[in-house]
Amino acid sequence: LAKTTQPISMDSYEGQEVNITCSHNNIATNDYITWYQQFPSQGPRFIIQGYKTKVTNEVASLFIPADRKSSTLSLPRVSLSDTAVYYCLVGDRSGGGADGLTFGKGTHLIIQP
Amino acid sequence: GAGVSQSPRYKVAKRGQDVALRCDPISGHVSLFWYQQALGQGPEFLTYFQNEAQLDKSGLPSDRFFAERPEGSVSTLKIQRTQQEDSAVYLCASSSGFVRETEQFFGPGTRLTVL
Repeated sequence: LAKTTQPISMDSYEGQEVNITCSHNNIATNDYITWYQQFPSQGPRFIIQGYKTKVTNEVASLFIPADRKSSTLSLPRVSLSDTAVYYCLVGDRSGGGADGLTFGKGTHLIIQP
Repeated sequence: GAGVSQSPRYKVAKRGQDVALRCDPISGHVSLFWYQQALGQGPEFLTYFQNEAQLDKSGLPSDRFFAERPEGSVSTLKIQRTQQEDSAVYLCASSSGFVRETEQFFGPGTRLTVL
């Protein structure tokens, strides 16, 4: 399993764009990059997943450079409700015999007014 | 229901007691996962079911932990002779696919406190 490194915490303000970068130097060819969000007293929630270049959905964008050794989750115009822990996960989706997701400690994002 | 539900939401047990935690996955989801989340940490994988078959239990921390999903829907995580180190939030997740990276839908968790 590819190990991921992300900042422990980040602060920003309402209305700003927030970028959280995750390093995964030993990512494998079959690995995808997935981000989950977790609010206090709730289970994690899937945000976005990608393999290369850029992926965008209604919540966020995911930027992946050509070497795929890092990725950046971009949250546009954050609000107070975006305060949460964000997890970067890297893993293989191509095979069967699934095991569980491997979470790290995540990035605690705090949005201030 | 619309999402994954878990019960009870909170459980306090005296050390040595047995506990049973229930998970109701999204209807029709074939894959079901249990995770343990300690305070300030990310969730850690415990076990995985594909329908009623328990295909991976490598994350169960001891033989005091076991899980079942007899009819391929509802699952129960049982902890025998609870210890203080078992205090954590236990999360259940389900997904429609057979591979790990299929989006997993998590329940709210059961917070277990062992006194």
